[in-house]
Amino acid sequence: DAGITQSPRHKVTETGTPVTLRCHQTENHRYMYWYRQDPGHGLRLIHYSYGVKDTDKGEVSDGYSVSRSKTEDFLLTLESATSSQTSVYFCAIRPGQGTDTQYFGPGTRLTVL
Amino acid sequence: AQKITQTQPGMFVQEKEAVTLDCTYDTSDQSYGLFWYKQPSSGEMIFLIYQGSYDEQNATEGRYSLNFQKARKSANLVISASQLGDSAMYFCAMRETLSGGYNKLIFGAGTRLAVHP
Repeated sequence: DAGITQSPRHKVTETGTPVTLRCHQTENHRYMYWYRQDPGHGLRLIHYSYGVKDTDKGEVSDGYSVSRSKTEDFLLTLESATSSQTSVYFCAIRPGQGTDTQYFGPGTRLTVL
Repeated sequence: AQKITQTQPGMFVQEKEAVTLDCTYDTSDQSYGLFWYKQPSSGEMIFLIYQGSYDEQNATEGRYSLNFQKARKSANLVISASQLGDSAMYFCAMRETLSGGYNKLIFGAGTRLAVHP
């Protein structure tokens, strides 16, 4: 158990509304990631962070922003949700430089109507 | 561009038999890592096994082994003595190095495994 929680676990929202997903970890890991999972695509990286206030874009970052003001929290925001952002969102952590393995949170299922 | 290919959308196996899930990769990096994750119907992503590109021995973790063939750029997952609880989606992934020395995982599309009694 990597001590990762995500909230909310399920959300239904309307097109055009802002949405924030939260990833919380309890073990002070430096590296955190947000992925989205869609059928036929596996998981794709949205944004990642290598420390407080240090974030960067992944391959599918359009329409998303992130913030990390505390080590334990990594927030993903959809500024104006669209139906194409209906997906399952996973947060992941990488324990440190000594390993490449990422451990995932339980996921958030987001539906944009 | 780095890529992971899983050519089997679905597989089935009889309980207690072995099954191989295929994964091929494409990279120009000399140093890379390969992973397999399991996603049961409950939805969580569970890390199974890791193989580094410089590891000479195939990785093993209990009933899971990774058949690493570097020249063929393949990293197949072998599950021995399948159990009903092995029914799940399986994802192959590869570590890609980003600028600044950070890394990310790139995933294949997955293979759905069904274990039949």
